[in-house]
Amino acid sequence: KNEVEQSPQNLTAQEGEFITINCSYSVGISALHWLQQHPGGGIVSLFMLSSGKKKHGRLIATINIQEKHSSLHITASHPRDSAVYICAIKSWDSNYQLIWGAGTKLIIKP
Amino acid sequence: DVKVTQSSRYLVKRTGEKVFLECVQDMDHENMFWYRQDPGLGLRLIYFSYDVKMKEKGDIPEGYSVSREKKERFSLILESASTNQTSMYLCASLPSGRWAGELFFGEGSRLTVL
Repeated sequence: KNEVEQSPQNLTAQEGEFITINCSYSVGISALHWLQQHPGGGIVSLFMLSSGKKKHGRLIATINIQEKHSSLHITASHPRDSAVYICAIKSWDSNYQLIWGAGTKLIIKP
Repeated sequence: DVKVTQSSRYLVKRTGEKVFLECVQDMDHENMFWYRQDPGLGLRLIYFSYDVKMKEKGDIPEGYSVSREKKERFSLILESASTNQTSMYLCASLPSGRWAGELFFGEGSRLTVL
């Protein structure tokens, strides 16, 4: 079993829909990262979370440490949000190693 | 304000050639990583470095070596390139500490080995 599980693997939605991508993990963590990669593009860090909730524009990330679960939400989705969204965790007993989820491929149709 | 710079966006090399991929970061981060990304396989860690001259193998180090002579620069070396090393290579940096900050990636280097 992977230590980081993302769901869904693929998601297609219509423009304007509210999007939720989930990330579950099985080890104690010191931080969780959400990253975005557009087709053919580099990887951009969206959020780094250790507790609670963060918001940046239409993106919201939440984490529940007790349940070992994080969600990335996109409000009023737009075709330019089409990308792969990746969750990565930094486990408590590692100072630098990251464990990666497989990614969620999101397509927003106009 | 570019923070992680990879030396080449696209490279085409022949089997057996030596390949250098360079990565420079300007954020004084202790930790630097080299990943390769292949369709369906996600990101796989090749090597990482947590300090100058320090390195550790990641999940797929075979066929690769690295060099970190200065804090800001982390180089990935393919001593004798092979076709199965055709891939997208991504460099990343991260500050140290359990409550580390944001992760920064370079734009990637797409290597084709013929």
